[in-house]
Amino acid sequence: DGGITQSPKYLFRKEGQNVTLSCEQNLNHDAMYWYRQDPGQGLRLIYYSQIVNDFQKGDIAEGYSVSREKKESFPLTVTSAQKNPTAFYLCASTPMGIGDRASTDTQYFGPGTRLTVL
Amino acid sequence: DAKTTQPNSMESNEEEPVHLPCNHSTISGTDYIHWYRQLPSQGPEYVIHGLTSNVNNRMASLAIAEDRKSSTLILHRATLRDAAVYYCILRSGNTGKLIFGQGTTLQVKP
Repeated sequence: DGGITQSPKYLFRKEGQNVTLSCEQNLNHDAMYWYRQDPGQGLRLIYYSQIVNDFQKGDIAEGYSVSREKKESFPLTVTSAQKNPTAFYLCASTPMGIGDRASTDTQYFGPGTRLTVL
Repeated sequence: DAKTTQPNSMESNEEEPVHLPCNHSTISGTDYIHWYRQLPSQGPEYVIHGLTSNVNNRMASLAIAEDRKSSTLILHRATLRDAAVYYCILRSGNTGKLIFGQGTTLQVKP
């Protein structure tokens, strides 16, 4: 079955440690996205990548880093510079990231990773 | 990015229709109106989208005002499985980004 996988589902880390969240898709989608969700709030965009080897900052990129070396993978690193990293992290993808279809393509979401920093 | 305004919460009885409103008075001519919903502890899922004309699919209907400054998501017969947070989102063609608001929490009573 095609889809987006995120691992692990729950992650615990000590304050001051960097942690990398995995996101893999086998949908052959060009664009991938990382969102953060805090309790009772909507999703906020951290980073997005419209094509391999390229990515852009979203609205809340500070304290996060990403890479897009392969089309199917878009890992997110939460660094020690992120002041309040405890949150629910969601990865998503769309067939195309730019162009006419970018405004209509369905965005597919993974199941999420719940990160807790102790 | 254009913003949307939705009620924080709504209630419905099972088997009855539900109309979820959304205001987007600053919508631009190229913005599409998208609706996603999110069940607890899951990622959002696509519901429906439209530009100017009303749209129907197997999940719902989308009614768009003639001036496009508001829209309504219609669930024809609410079920308990429809209880979720519903997000109304405007999406531009430049990047395809989704800008989420706080959404409407729909409760469905048996």
